[in-house]
This record gives sequence, C-alpha cells and structure tokens, in this order.
Amino acid sequence: GQQVMQIPQYQHVQEGEDFTTYCNSSTTLSNIQWYKQRPGGHPVFLIQLVKSGEVKKQKRLTFQFGEAKKNSSLHITATQTTDVGTYFCAGSPESKLTFGKGITLSVRP
Amino acid sequence: NAGVTQTPKFQVLKTGQSMTLQCAQDMNHEYMSWYRQDPGMGLRLIHYSVGAGITDQGEVPNGYNVSRSTTEDFPLRLLSAAPSQTSVYFCASSLRGPYTDTQYFGPGTRLTVL
Repeated sequence: GQQVMQIPQYQHVQEGEDFTTYCNSSTTLSNIQWYKQRPGGHPVFLIQLVKSGEVKKQKRLTFQFGEAKKNSSLHITATQTTDVGTYFCAGSPESKLTFGKGITLSVRP
Repeated sequence: NAGVTQTPKFQVLKTGQSMTLQCAQDMNHEYMSWYRQDPGMGLRLIHYSVGAGITDQGEVPNGYNVSRSTTEDFPLRLLSAAPSQTSVYFCASSLRGPYTDTQYFGPGTRLTVL
C-alpha cells in the first residue's frame, strides 16, 4: 500500500536557525497536505499543494511539492519557540488520506 | 460555529467493555473520518464517510464500527475494548473530501483500556 515517509522523527534546533524537513511517498500523489500539532493538541491544517513543483509560503514557512509529485519539503526560516510541535505530511491518491509519522521539532531558546 | 466536537475527552474502560465515541460537526461537511494516534505511529485512518448513509473502512478498522445517519454526526463504536485500543482518537471533517478541502480535526478523545 501507499506509504508516506518522514525521517527523522525528531529534530532539535537552536532558536533562530533554519529548519527543513522532507516527506517522501512510494507512489505519485494527487496532492500533499501539511499539518501541525502542538503538544497535547490536535492536528491543524497548514497548507495543501496540488501542482508539480508548486511552492507556497506562509510567513516564515515555505512548502514545496516535488516535480514528480512524490516528495515535499517544509522549510522554516529563523525558527522561533512558537514553531515547537509535530509536523505531519499527508498524501492522498483517492479518498483515503495517508499520514506520515511526523517530525517533532523542539527549539532551544 | 463550534467546528468539530468530540466527547468524551477522556475515558477509561476495562477489557471487554463497549462504548461509543461521539463526533459532531456543524459546518455541513460531507466527509468525516476517524483516526487513531499512537506514539511513533502518526495518524492512522480507522473509518471514513463521504456522506450520510455511506461509510467505508480505512487502514485499521478491526474492532470498530461506525454509522452515519445524519450529516452532522459520526459516532465510533468500540465493540469489545482491548488494551491495544488504548490511544488518542481524532475525528475530522472536510467539505467534500480530504484531498480537495481543508480537513478540520476535533480536540480528541484519550482512551485507556485496562
């Protein structure tokens, strides 16, 4: 079955450093979504990418969809303590959205 | 709008007991789904529904039942609870489907099965 992979599962950065994480699929995706979950909270939708090579920005966050639509990246510029949480990517060829295991980001002040 | 609501927030069951986790949304969304979240496993889809009267299985459906008699409600039933069902359960909804529209998650139900 389809797999969406996020490696590593944990990353620690110093406040102010940039952070990049990747999401890889074994199959071509129709779209990819990114979610953020704060500790003790629920997943919150961040963005959806649909087109090959698409790049979207939200303030300090930059999301990119690969040309082959099998991978995606999330880049955070100058991390802040408010960026702490787990970031999930999720892909869907049909009605069943498959989530990666997520990457938990911690930020040292 | 309240968005997606879930009850209860916390629940402790004994092995073999049954219970229903409630989920409701007031956004007139057609698509609703249930996920479970376990440490290191991400979110796994249990069941989903594309509209009232229509349900289908996700990745991990065994031990769970669902029904969708109204657009607003999508309860998840545990038939005979097992310790392996200890998890955090999230309900989610979107207007037409998760790959066309924003998916909204409820606050979750933390279930412990002893």
